[in-house]
Parts: sequence; C-alpha cells; structure tokens
Amino acid sequence: DAEITQSPRHKITETGRQVTLACHQTWNHNNMFWYRQDLGHGLRLIHYSYGVHDTNKGEVSDGYSVSRSNTEDLPLTLESAASSQTSVYFCASSESGYEQYFGPGTRLTVT
Amino acid sequence: AQSVTQLDSQVPVFEEAPVELRCNYSSSVSVYLFWYVQYPNQGLQLLLKYLSGSTLVKGINGFEAEFNKSQTSFHLRKPSVHISDTAEYFCAVSLDYKLSFGAGTTVTVRA
Repeated sequence: DAEITQSPRHKITETGRQVTLACHQTWNHNNMFWYRQDLGHGLRLIHYSYGVHDTNKGEVSDGYSVSRSNTEDLPLTLESAASSQTSVYFCASSESGYEQYFGPGTRLTVT
Repeated sequence: AQSVTQLDSQVPVFEEAPVELRCNYSSSVSVYLFWYVQYPNQGLQLLLKYLSGSTLVKGINGFEAEFNKSQTSFHLRKPSVHISDTAEYFCAVSLDYKLSFGAGTTVTVRA
C-alpha cells in the first residue's frame, strides 16, 4: 500500500545545530507540504512543493528550508535550531486540490 | 486570503450523546472544505470533504457536515458519540492545493 513516512519520529537537539527531518511518500504525488503543529495554532504551513525542483515558502518559513530532487522526498532542514522551533512536524502529500495525506509526525525538541 | 475559525476549543460530551463542532471560514473565492481527526500521538486522518454538489456531506465513523455558503460555515456533527471519538478535530479550507487549518477542537467523550 502507498504511504507517507517521516523520520525520525522523535528528535532532541541543541540550539544552533542543523537538523534535517525526512519525509518520503510512495503515492507518486506531485504536491508535498510541511506543517508544524503547536497548541492553540492548529497546523501552520512551513514550505511546500508542487513538483521536482519546485519549492515555495509558507506562512512560517523563517529558519527552515526544503529541497525537492525527486518526486518521493521533501526533506525539511532547520539551519540553526532555535527553542521556538520545538514542535511537532507533519509532512503531507496530495495529487490534486483535494485531500492531503499526512505522515505520522516528528516530535522535535530543541534544548 | 482565507482563514478558518473553530468556535470551540474544547467540547466535553457524554457517550451516546450528540456532538456538533462549529467551523466558520472566510474566503473571497470558492474553496474546498475538510474535516480531519487526530487521535492521540497520531497523524491527521480525513473525516470528510466538501468539493461541490450536495451541501450535506457524510464521512467516516458516522460523522457528517453541512456546508452553508451564506453563513460561510461547515459544521461537523455526529448523532451519538463513542469513547473512541475522543480526539482533536480540525477544520480546513483548500485553495491552490494548500490547506489552511483552524486551531482545532478537542473532543473528550466521557462514559
């Protein structure tokens, strides 16, 4: 069955370190998204991609970057982790403007 | 620009009682509407979606929602809840393949 996976599921890192969160989907979807989930804010869009070599900033993109070298993967990089980036991160994919399929999430703690 | 407001942050309800979760959205153009559910420590799962056509939409697990264009609302209902419905529920609107989420409503079902 097609799926979307995220790794690691849990990560603890120190302030200032570079961190990369992986997202891999086997749906063969063109569209991929990264969100962060924080209490009281729901999910907020960080970055998104409509296809290979395409990346776009979302509403909370400062301090994050993505790259899309193939259809299946959209890694999210925190260039210099900050305590404000402690959150749960979700990756999602879609083929159309219809529903998005979500991964299980990565819980990131920045100390 | 579009935004989503979930009018209740927490909804406690007794088992077998009905529940309604309220969602209002603002958008200058036609949008697609969704309700997602998040069980503890899991990713988001699609409950139902409104794309076009009938304004009453039926989803999984006995949930339904009604799209009201004049009131820009998309309220979620279930006539009789179970303990297993304890979860967080998110309303979302889609434009240009991107989702904007409400802050979420936590439903706690008590015996």
